[in-house]
Amino acid sequence: QSALTQPASVSGSPGQSITISCTGTSSDVGAYNYVSWYQQHPGKAPKLMIYDVSNRPSGVSNRFSGSKSGNTASLTISGLQAEDEADYYCTSYTSSSTPWVFGGGTKLTVL
Amino acid sequence: EVQLVESGGGLVQPGGSLRLSCAASGFTFSSYWMTWVRQAPGKGLEWVANIKEDGSEKYYVESVKGRFTISRDNAKNSLYLQMNSLRAEDTAVYYCAGHSAWRFDPWGQGTLVTVSS
Repeated sequence: QSALTQPASVSGSPGQSITISCTGTSSDVGAYNYVSWYQQHPGKAPKLMIYDVSNRPSGVSNRFSGSKSGNTASLTISGLQAEDEADYYCTSYTSSSTPWVFGGGTKLTVL
Repeated sequence: EVQLVESGGGLVQPGGSLRLSCAASGFTFSSYWMTWVRQAPGKGLEWVANIKEDGSEKYYVESVKGRFTISRDNAKNSLYLQMNSLRAEDTAVYYCAGHSAWRFDPWGQGTLVTVSS
């Protein structure tokens, strides 16, 4: 089972918006609305930011939003802040024998 | 406070075994699927295994099938991962995570497993 495809890195200036893509197939991202996004700061555990494509858990800033079109899901962060600098991972449920697959991760740099 | 605390990591020789534990508190453990996710040094996250609320269903990533066994004890609010025939490529930080409604939350802080001679 191949990992979902994410850009290795993205960057943006404070206040700007960025979007991270997560491309899968018709067996995972395209088939289910079970895409979630995780933020991971260095040396820390991942933190849930978005679930079921576009839902935000309680306590997560509304600057974070998610969407999906076809086999590609996206995470958008608006009004970038220094604290948003971290690695971001998408994951999706899949119909393969391995039921969950992660993206390779995207390093966000706030310039 | 919702908390997951992993333990049991360490240095083990190739071919050896290790048992990881994950102690849960602050939420109804028996109502959650539970998952192990690992992260090799400098690499991304990899889903490893998960187990249904009552332990009746278990799933594994292909690379660990036949070597790793996930289990749980709901009376002790604990999750386990028995890892046998360990390989260098199993070296990683292993996280346990609650798994409900198609998302992974909460997460533990992780425990490092190093497979090396």
